[in-house]
Amino acid sequence: KNQVEQSPQSLIILEGKNCTLQCNYTVSPFSNLRWYKQDTGRGPVSLTIMTFSENTKSNGRYTATLDADTKQSSLHITASQLSDSASYICVVSPGNSNYQLIWGAGTKLIIKP
Amino acid sequence: SAVISQKPSRDICQRGTSLTIQCQVDSQVTMMFWYRQQPGQSLTLIATANQGSEATYESGFVIDKFPISRPNLTFSTLTVSNMSPEDSSIYLCGGWQNTEAFFGQGTRLTVV
Repeated sequence: KNQVEQSPQSLIILEGKNCTLQCNYTVSPFSNLRWYKQDTGRGPVSLTIMTFSENTKSNGRYTATLDADTKQSSLHITASQLSDSASYICVVSPGNSNYQLIWGAGTKLIIKP
Repeated sequence: SAVISQKPSRDICQRGTSLTIQCQVDSQVTMMFWYRQQPGQSLTLIATANQGSEATYESGFVIDKFPISRPNLTFSTLTVSNMSPEDSSIYLCGGWQNTEAFFGQGTRLTVV
């Protein structure tokens, strides 16, 4: 069964600190993996999208990694800011469907001053 | 990526009534979609909609309850019909542009 699991479920860190969010998936065949940021009550906003051949991709203070062999991804946030408080969702697209998205449950990140 | 304007942003509705949510995209998009997100949960796909054809609904969602229109390549509507408190949720529209899936800001619906 195609699944995406994220950990931790929630995380609280102090402003300025770094953190890493984890994503494991069992989706096969695999096409690409996306990380979205979703502020409370708002729509998801794309941070990164990685295909099978990409190991790392950065978007400002956000760096995503992908290990397609172990089917794991991580999202590293550097020098966190209060505005980083949001849910971060890992989403995987199967290789046999152009428009299907398999959603993780998300990690709720809270940045405290 | 494309920008979607979704409205209303929130509404409080009486049970038994219907609400139509509108999404306008600033560029032409072949496929649009509608998701529901219940409190504390991840997104659940309701249906996808191509211009000029019937929407394709996911298991658990039916056209009578969630009719969708897609009259052109930049616009779509979702109606939540005969609402009950269980329909209280955030409804999100979105679309595909190349390999990018982008979303509107969401409609927070409360049914009382």
